[in-house]
Parts: sequence; structure tokens; C-alpha cells
Amino acid sequence: DVKVTQSSRYLVKRTGEKVFLECVQDMDHENMFWYRQDPGLGLRLIYFSYDVKMKEKGDIPEGYSVSREKKERFSLILESASTNQTSMYLCASSFYGGQPQHFGDGTRLSIL
Amino acid sequence: RKEVEQDPGPFNVPEGATVAFNCTYSNSASQSFFWYRQDCRKEPKLLMSVYSSGNEDGRFTAQLNRASQYISLLIRDSKLSDSATYLCVVNLTGNQFYFGTGTSLTVIP
Repeated sequence: DVKVTQSSRYLVKRTGEKVFLECVQDMDHENMFWYRQDPGLGLRLIYFSYDVKMKEKGDIPEGYSVSREKKERFSLILESASTNQTSMYLCASSFYGGQPQHFGDGTRLSIL
Repeated sequence: RKEVEQDPGPFNVPEGATVAFNCTYSNSASQSFFWYRQDCRKEPKLLMSVYSSGNEDGRFTAQLNRASQYISLLIRDSKLSDSATYLCVVNLTGNQFYFGTGTSLTVIP
């Protein structure tokens, strides 16, 4: 089974802090994704990566950056956290384009 | 216009009932299609891919209608454990995935 592991289930941070969310997958997948999920809005893509050191912006990249230094690890960084970034963050991976994605448990992030 | 649209429900059905969800997509060039299940406060989990010829997995049947641009999910003999939110997902090209906002199902004893 594919295993996608996110570093924290719940996280509370303060406005202005730099926040790091980590994601690791164990299936040698090429593609990794970061989404946020908000009630009524569904999943929205923040960034994705199709290879080490490669990244592309999704639909809502503002206020976020990402890092993929190793194939198995994809990090999401909130440069200066704001209250409107309070959300459920989901990491996913897939073998290659068009294949179904497998999700981590999610991180519920609260920015106070 | 949204890329993917689903009826949010909620669908409340008795145990043993048959229930069907539809999901429409706007881009005729969409290539692959999936149904995911999401339990409350959990991550989405792949339920099944949707193939052009239709496919079945136990009590679950998925169908694709390219002419009318919709996919469907049929659940027969509903169980209490089927209560969840069902998300349809459409892959346009490569890494472009579009998620519906989900349809909520509650199966009542």
C-alpha cells in the first residue's frame, strides 16, 4: 500500500510565523501535490512537483512556497502565516500524470 | 463555470437502499476520472477509477458518459459504513486534477 505521511495532524501557529509542513511518500512516486481543503470550496491545489527540485504553481500559490530536495519529500512553507491560511492541508502523491493520487492524513493548521 | 460539479446533498437513505450520485465536468478533453471517499475530518481515499466501459467493484458501480460529460457512482445495498462524502475527480491532462466539492451520504439504520 502507498504510504503518504504528513508530519503533524494538528498544528497551531501565530500570525507572522514561518510554518513548515512536511510530507513523505514511500512509493517512489514522481508527482507530489499540496492542497488545502475548506468547507464549501473543496480541494484547491497550492503547488505540485513532478520531479526533484521541480515545482509548478497551482490555483492558489500566494503566500506559500515549496521545496522538493529529495524525491520522497515535499515541503510546504507558509512564509508569514496569516489567519486566512487556517485550513486543512493535504499532501498527495501519484506515480505519474493521470494516475490517481494518494493522500496523507492531513494537517489541520490553525493560525491565531 | 466550475470544472467539476456535484450535487452536495445530503443524501439520507435507509440501509439496503440503492443510491446514485452524478458528477458533471466541463472540459471534453478530460482524460481520466475517479471517485474518492472522504470520512469526516479524514483524508480522501481512492474508491475507484472510472473506465469508459463502466466498472464494478462489489456493491459499487461507476460509469462514464463522455457524450453528456458526466460520471456516476451507484451504491447498491447501502451499509451504515458507506456514510461519508464522495468526491468525484477529473484529470484534464498530466497533473491537472479537478475535484468536486463532494456529495454527502448518510445511511440510516
